[in-house]
Amino acid sequence: GAVVSQHPSWVICKSGTSVKIECRSLDFQATTMFWYRQFPKQSLMLMATSNEGSKATYEQGVEKDKFLINHASLTLSTLTVTSAHPEDSSFYICSARDGGVSGDEQFFGPGTRLTVL
Amino acid sequence: KNQVEQSPQSLIILEGKNCTLQCNYTVSPFSNLRWYKQDTGRGPVSLTIMTFSENTKSNGRYTATLDADTKQSSLHITASQLSDSASYICVVSPSNDYKLSFGAGTTVTVRA
Repeated sequence: GAVVSQHPSWVICKSGTSVKIECRSLDFQATTMFWYRQFPKQSLMLMATSNEGSKATYEQGVEKDKFLINHASLTLSTLTVTSAHPEDSSFYICSARDGGVSGDEQFFGPGTRLTVL
Repeated sequence: KNQVEQSPQSLIILEGKNCTLQCNYTVSPFSNLRWYKQDTGRGPVSLTIMTFSENTKSNGRYTATLDADTKQSSLHITASQLSDSASYICVVSPSNDYKLSFGAGTTVTVRA
């Protein structure tokens, strides 16, 4: 199956700093990538959808100025958490669609654990 | 209200035993229903995918069933192993939207 990677797998940062998380599709071109956040013992919550070369679409309640998403190529999307605060500590997961080659299946990355001190 | 409800929230079983997880959904119309396994601190990994016309799908010791009339699905784990300890998530894909609807998951703990 298609492989999606994320980097870093975990990161610890100080409050007020910015953190960038990368999501890459390794063996396919991802026309659409999704960013999710997951708190302990909860389900994945969609934060935003990004299409290559266009602006991301954010879900209600997600601050676009705080969670900057860039989908500059068909294999890479980045999520930047700006001015991170302890409440931003969470597990961030990306997923990618291959433009319909595999139907509408989304392939998930391994996730990034963010801890803000 | 969540459109995908899973039960139980968690369960503990002995190694070698079987168990069945339930998923009820209200998403309509839907394209497919998937079961994922998520290990702690990892991303979800697909176990089975079923379209509305499929009743059952197997992947090794995992067997999923789907009743599109009652909007229910189940995931049966046969001869559980310690490595089966994980969260199992039911995900429904609407046919008119790219956004997936996630269940809260069932946490399975397999003990020796």
